[in-house]
Amino acid sequence: AQSVAQPEDQVNVAEGNPLTVKCTYSVSGNPYLFWYVQYPNRGLQFLLKYITGDNLVKGSYGFEAEFNKSQTSFHLKKPSALVSDSALYFCAVREGGFKTIFGAGTRLFVKA
Amino acid sequence: GAVVSQHPSRVICKSGTSVKIECRSLDFQATTMFWYRQFPKQSLMLMATSNEGSKATYEQGVEKDKFLINHASLTLSTLTVTSAHPEDSSFYICSARGGLADIPGELFFGEGSRLTVL
Repeated sequence: AQSVAQPEDQVNVAEGNPLTVKCTYSVSGNPYLFWYVQYPNRGLQFLLKYITGDNLVKGSYGFEAEFNKSQTSFHLKKPSALVSDSALYFCAVREGGFKTIFGAGTRLFVKA
Repeated sequence: GAVVSQHPSRVICKSGTSVKIECRSLDFQATTMFWYRQFPKQSLMLMATSNEGSKATYEQGVEKDKFLINHASLTLSTLTVTSAHPEDSSFYICSARGGLADIPGELFFGEGSRLTVL
């Protein structure tokens, strides 16, 4: 069965510093990996995805993620965090039929 | 990107009543829609997958008679919580894929509906 893990419940970072939100996955074949962001009482917004190709994926709002097959990871990164980046971030993996499995979520706090 | 609209965004109802939540794809035809439930500070739990014109496929542990899903058209899916009880209080989110907006694997999410059952 496919699964995705986000080992950190919360990540704290100062504004202007780089941020990393970790994600590891387990799939039987080639993974389709995604990052979504959720603001309070809102739905999920798509940030970026890895389907195939370049391991470094660039997405919305300056975020990027690196697909690492040997480590089965897909960590979300941003070079310089903004207070407005504070939100709940979900890593997800897609299995057949577009059924998407979400990680538990990581809450990011960016302090001014 | 494609837009998915969910209505109502908030609903409060009395125990024992039924509540309907609508999910519409505004600028594309959604061949498949998904309904998720999210508990406070938790991840999204997939409840069911619905394909236009066919019966929804429910995840294990989800009561199909309690959570009625209808996907009658390519732009509308509805979730009806029947005989709601306080434990049904939750944040319900729909997502959709399909049509011209169909990028492999990409899902478009509604804004969610917060149900509170008194």
